[in-house]
Amino acid sequence: AQKITQTQPGMFVQEKEAVTLDCTYDTSDPSYGLFWYKQPSSGEMIFLIYQGSYDQQNATEGRYSLNFQKARKSANLVISASQLGDSAMYFCAMREEDTGRRALTFGSGTRLQVQP
Amino acid sequence: SAVISQKPSRDICQRGTSLTIQCQVDSQVTMMFWYRQQPGQSLTLIATANQGSEATYESGFVIDKFPISRPNLTFSTLTVSNMSPEDSSIYLCSARTSGGLPDTQYFGPGTRLTVL
Repeated sequence: AQKITQTQPGMFVQEKEAVTLDCTYDTSDPSYGLFWYKQPSSGEMIFLIYQGSYDQQNATEGRYSLNFQKARKSANLVISASQLGDSAMYFCAMREEDTGRRALTFGSGTRLQVQP
Repeated sequence: SAVISQKPSRDICQRGTSLTIQCQVDSQVTMMFWYRQQPGQSLTLIATANQGSEATYESGFVIDKFPISRPNLTFSTLTVSNMSPEDSSIYLCSARTSGGLPDTQYFGPGTRLTVL
């Protein structure tokens, strides 16, 4: 079964508008972390934001915020005031801390295009 | 944060040959990983590189095809052996940092491999 699901293959947003990228996850591990990465056309993976399963508040990093709804098992990324440079692939990932693996499992990604 | 470098950044290889990719991290890390990203796809974990012992491979990946070494805490190599065109991918080294918050995972710039 898919552990990380990103249902939006592609998204468009107007410059300066906010956009939400969806991510749902599946785990029975009580301790886990959720990550978002940006991958521009250059191919590098840029870490954006992290949310721990025990964190009481939603994570924020500048224009990025994570809308964490634990009961729904969702961890949506919100980008405020979109910029042209935000056009890229965005990946949601999960790390299960109590299993021996402790590596990130990635979703299929969402391609965001910011339009002027 | 950790800065991860990879060599080579890209290569074009002939079928049946092998390529070794090097990964160097600028600080001590707890865990190192190797991922593959096939064209237009998400990231798939190949293996966890263990210091001084055999790597832990994911289902579908074997040591004979992808031998991995990690002689110390900050350096690892991945070899892609007996290459075929299906091995054309981006190979990414990743490291989980020790200490600091959040305990995140960083990626190298990737090695773009094309097999003819």
